[in-house]
Amino acid sequence: DARVTQTPRHKVTEMGQEVTMRCQPILGHNTVFWYRQTMMQGLELLAYFRNRAPLDDSGMPKDRFSAEMPDATLATLKIQPSEPRDSAVYFCASGLSQGAFNEKLFFGSGTQLSVL
Amino acid sequence: QKEVEQNSGPLSVPEGAIASLNCTYSDRVSQSFFWYRQYSGKSPELIMSIYSNGDKEDGRFTAQLNKASQYVSLLIRDSQPSDSATYLCAVNIIKAAGNKLTFGGGTRVLVKP
Repeated sequence: DARVTQTPRHKVTEMGQEVTMRCQPILGHNTVFWYRQTMMQGLELLAYFRNRAPLDDSGMPKDRFSAEMPDATLATLKIQPSEPRDSAVYFCASGLSQGAFNEKLFFGSGTQLSVL
Repeated sequence: QKEVEQNSGPLSVPEGAIASLNCTYSDRVSQSFFWYRQYSGKSPELIMSIYSNGDKEDGRFTAQLNKASQYVSLLIRDSQPSDSATYLCAVNIIKAAGNKLTFGGGTRVLVKP
């Protein structure tokens, strides 16, 4: 059963520490999205890739967040240094994009991040 | 104005009744529309997609799209307690940098036995 795999599931860290979240998209999918979800803001798009190329990371605080896709099987989201306001659930989602339109996205289980 | 807007609810529905959820979007040229269901503490899961004006039915779910009014809705017939969840509307927003799937804030649905 194909699924998006995210690690870690939970992360508790102290302010100022580096946090790295990893995502393995579904084999054959060519788009990867990173979302952050909080009660106040809902699902916010942070960054997304198509065919491993970053298309839009305008939703991401550039000074502390970075997203990369070193190969087709791995996407990473890094926060350095982390702050308490970064506490949220971070979701990775992958899909198959054909032509100009994004198709259905499949979500991973998420990383619950708590920054103390 | 948010790009995708939904009433946050909660929408309280008696078991067996029809739940009606609405979503409006700002991008006139959007072509792809999706409904996701998210149970508390879980990740969103896709339940419906719609690309053309009109109705699309899948089991107890019906999605309705009206591009002229920039409006998409979801009907849940014969609502069950297991339908209690947050329903997220997602719209493919056309941007110069590339299309991005943008979510509304979600509508929380409570189905009461």
